[in-house]
Amino acid sequence: QLQLQESGPGLVKPSGTLSLTCTVSGGSISSSSSYWVWVRQPPGKGLEWIGTIYYRGNTYYTPSLKSRITISVDTSKNQFSLKLTSVTPADTAVYYCARHDWVGTRNFDYWGQGTLVTVSS
Amino acid sequence: DIQMTQSPSSLSASVGDRVTITCRASQAIRNDLGWYQQKPGKAPKHLIYGASSLQSGVPSRFSGSGSGTEFTLTISSLQPEDFATYFCLQHNSYPITFGQGTRLEIK
Repeated sequence: QLQLQESGPGLVKPSGTLSLTCTVSGGSISSSSSYWVWVRQPPGKGLEWIGTIYYRGNTYYTPSLKSRITISVDTSKNQFSLKLTSVTPADTAVYYCARHDWVGTRNFDYWGQGTLVTVSS
Repeated sequence: DIQMTQSPSSLSASVGDRVTITCRASQAIRNDLGWYQQKPGKAPKHLIYGASSLQSGVPSRFSGSGSGTEFTLTISSLQPEDFATYFCLQHNSYPITFGQGTRLEIK
């Protein structure tokens, strides 16, 4: 059973950098049928896709955040990571990592539990 | 970007009721649509893929239909555990976009 777990600071200062890591267990991040995604959800609001990475390093980012995002992958650690720079309180959200099943359902079928990141001084 | 317009934004219903939630895409997305259920404090759970195929382990009272620009999620007989928020997601093209969500509440 695939499991994903987000980790990183829960509090980031305005203008700082948000850094999160997603550790994948129960399967390989180098699976050819899997893409890996970050999704966020501001308190009381809907879901926003942030970006996607393939194990070979191909990335896709949401246009509204593209200038501030970097998503990377470390296949040796079975992890992928998110960096979001120049954060403001509007970036306060629960951040989820998930798998995008590219071959079967073509949906986000496995999710981490989510981690709340608060942007505040 | 493809906009996903979901309706209604909230819905009150009783156990045993049949409910339908709709998502409309701003342009045709074939059947590249999924439905998700989210309970408070939890990650979304994938229910439907390919607009109408049931994810493994999901009860058969859930069903999806549609293609192109209009899609529906139907719960045939509401159970107490179904009261949650539901989202649609289009993966036809980047950027991937979600509907705004439908909060299903107990009447």
